[in-house]
Amino acid sequence: EDQVTQSPEALRLQEGESSSLNCSYTVSGLRGLFWYRQDPGKGPEFLFTLYSAGEEKEKERLKATLTKKESFLHITAPKPEDSATYLCAVRSTTDSWGKFQFGAGTQVVVTP
Amino acid sequence: SAVISQKPSRDICQRGTSLTIQCQVDSQVTMMFWYRQQPGQSLTLIATANQGSEATYESGFVIDKFPISRPNLTFSTLTVSNMSPEDSSIYLCSVGGQETQYFGPGTRLLVL
Repeated sequence: EDQVTQSPEALRLQEGESSSLNCSYTVSGLRGLFWYRQDPGKGPEFLFTLYSAGEEKEKERLKATLTKKESFLHITAPKPEDSATYLCAVRSTTDSWGKFQFGAGTQVVVTP
Repeated sequence: SAVISQKPSRDICQRGTSLTIQCQVDSQVTMMFWYRQQPGQSLTLIATANQGSEATYESGFVIDKFPISRPNLTFSTLTVSNMSPEDSSIYLCSVGGQETQYFGPGTRLLVL
């Protein structure tokens, strides 16, 4: 069975204090790994899709990387507006169309 | 990316009643998805809705409890039937393809 585990559950950072979030996954075959940002009371906002080990994607202060077992979301010099819950999801090559397996998320709080 | 709206944004309901949630997309899409996000937990796929055919439900979800309509390529509804407090969740619709899925803002449901 496909599994996605995110760590830590919560992360409190000072503004400018860089850190990384982890997403460990187990799938029979990886079709894609996805990162989302979710603000309170809102739906998840798409950030990145990664397809193969070694791939990296960047957007502003965020950088996502992928290995065969896990993905990292690096937050460089975070600002308070980066506070959100970050969700990781995978699609397996054997799953039905559109079935994403989500992790529980990492809640990030960035204080000034 | 698609612009997705949901109605209502939130509701408080009495146990034993039913609520229908609407999802509207600004472009024609083949597949729409309904998710549930229980407090403090991950997103769980309820069903996939194709226009002109029966919805496909994931394990643990049944049509009698969560009937879905998909009358055209831009609209879908999810009904939560005979509600109990355990149905208190955020319900999200999403659309997407191979690259990713885009989510609506969600409907926050509290059942008393």
